[in-house]
Amino acid sequence: QKEVEQDPGPLSVPEGAIVSLNCTYSNSAFQYFMWYRQYSRKGPELLMYTYSSGNKEDGRFTAQVDKSSKYISLFIRDSQPSDSATYLCAMSGVSGGYQKVTFGIGTKLQVIP
Amino acid sequence: ETGVTQSPTHLIKTRGQQVTLRCSSQSGHNTVSWYQQALGQGPQFIFQYYREEENGRGNFPPRFSGLQFPNYSSELNVNALELDDSALYLCASSLVGGGGREQYFGPGTRLTVT
Repeated sequence: QKEVEQDPGPLSVPEGAIVSLNCTYSNSAFQYFMWYRQYSRKGPELLMYTYSSGNKEDGRFTAQVDKSSKYISLFIRDSQPSDSATYLCAMSGVSGGYQKVTFGIGTKLQVIP
Repeated sequence: ETGVTQSPTHLIKTRGQQVTLRCSSQSGHNTVSWYQQALGQGPQFIFQYYREEENGRGNFPPRFSGLQFPNYSSELNVNALELDDSALYLCASSLVGGGGREQYFGPGTRLTVT
């Protein structure tokens, strides 16, 4: 079993839709939960991170963490064609005495005009 | 755009050869991590450097090695290249003590091994 599970999609939605992206994890030691956006042939770009269970909002993006269920989500409101990219969840925790970041496989999102 | 730069952008090597990839960290960042991202996969952690020493390593063989310089720039060296080493290699800079929560990635070096 992978430490971080993420549906690779692809996910195709019409412009203006609410997008829900999700990841599950198995390692209870994870402390920080991040979402990255990666455009084709580019490096990942940090969107936001959360530390505890609950919601965090930044513009059209809301990150949600449920530690009891080991489940995290990213919601995108009023989706735009420019949101078309691969969304990577990532989680960090101490492993072997150092801080290690583990990524999901990424969900490819396409927003259709 | 982050302040992290990587060179070269693309590279084609032959199986068995050696390669060196370079990364310049974002200003003020003292920690650099290297990741391998195969096509259709998420980035896989290779190792991290802080104060010019390896500070953690993922599940990669010793033929993957690195350096960090006093100006926090870094190199990733891969010896005895294999076909499966073909991937996008990403470096990410951050501040130590950040818990891994804020890493800033460069654009990557795409390595093709034939």
